[in-house]
Amino acid sequence: SQTIHQWPATLVQPVGSPLSLECTVEGTSNPNLYWYRQAAGRGLQLLFYSVGIGQISSEVPQNLSASRPQDRQFILSSKKLLLSDSGFYLCAWSPTGFGNQPQHFGDGTRLSIL
Amino acid sequence: GENVEQHPSTLSVQEGDSAVIKCTYSDSASNYFPWYKQELGKGPQLIIDIRSNVGEKKDQRIAVTLNKTAKHFSLHITETQPEDSAVYFCAARKTSYDKVIFGPGTSLSVIP
Repeated sequence: SQTIHQWPATLVQPVGSPLSLECTVEGTSNPNLYWYRQAAGRGLQLLFYSVGIGQISSEVPQNLSASRPQDRQFILSSKKLLLSDSGFYLCAWSPTGFGNQPQHFGDGTRLSIL
Repeated sequence: GENVEQHPSTLSVQEGDSAVIKCTYSDSASNYFPWYKQELGKGPQLIIDIRSNVGEKKDQRIAVTLNKTAKHFSLHITETQPEDSAVYFCAARKTSYDKVIFGPGTSLSVIP
């Protein structure tokens, strides 16, 4: 069966520090991968999505970037964090191919910027 | 582009009663409609989904109905239990190559 892992679960970082959040998927190949951000009590904001290695689409101009160095690895980064980067970051995957299939989410990373 | 609206934003029901959450979508080409449940501090979990060739789907206490003509779909939870308390998101999608468009969420509280 397929599983998705995100780490760390919680992170406290000072303003101006760098960021690296990692997401990996097991049990499938060539998945679509997504990064979402969720502010407290709010909905899901799509940040980046990837349909293959090295293929990244950005949804919102911001202080963050994403990379996909391997087929099942998706990384969210920042060179200098801002206070506004605080939030709950969720990675998700979905199968590729014909037919609509659901997205499956990881358990998220709670990021607090001080 | 696609836009998904969801109502109500908050819902409180007594344990054992039914809960209904309604969503509307704007793009008639959308043909896949998943529902997610998000518990506090966790990622959203898929609870049920429906495709456009089906008008209704049921899984134990959960059912989803779809009206393609009116472009709306609903989640029905019967015999609610305290563990049903969570935020529920509806979503719509055209094809597996398109993005999933989520509604803003409904916070459901089941009062024991």
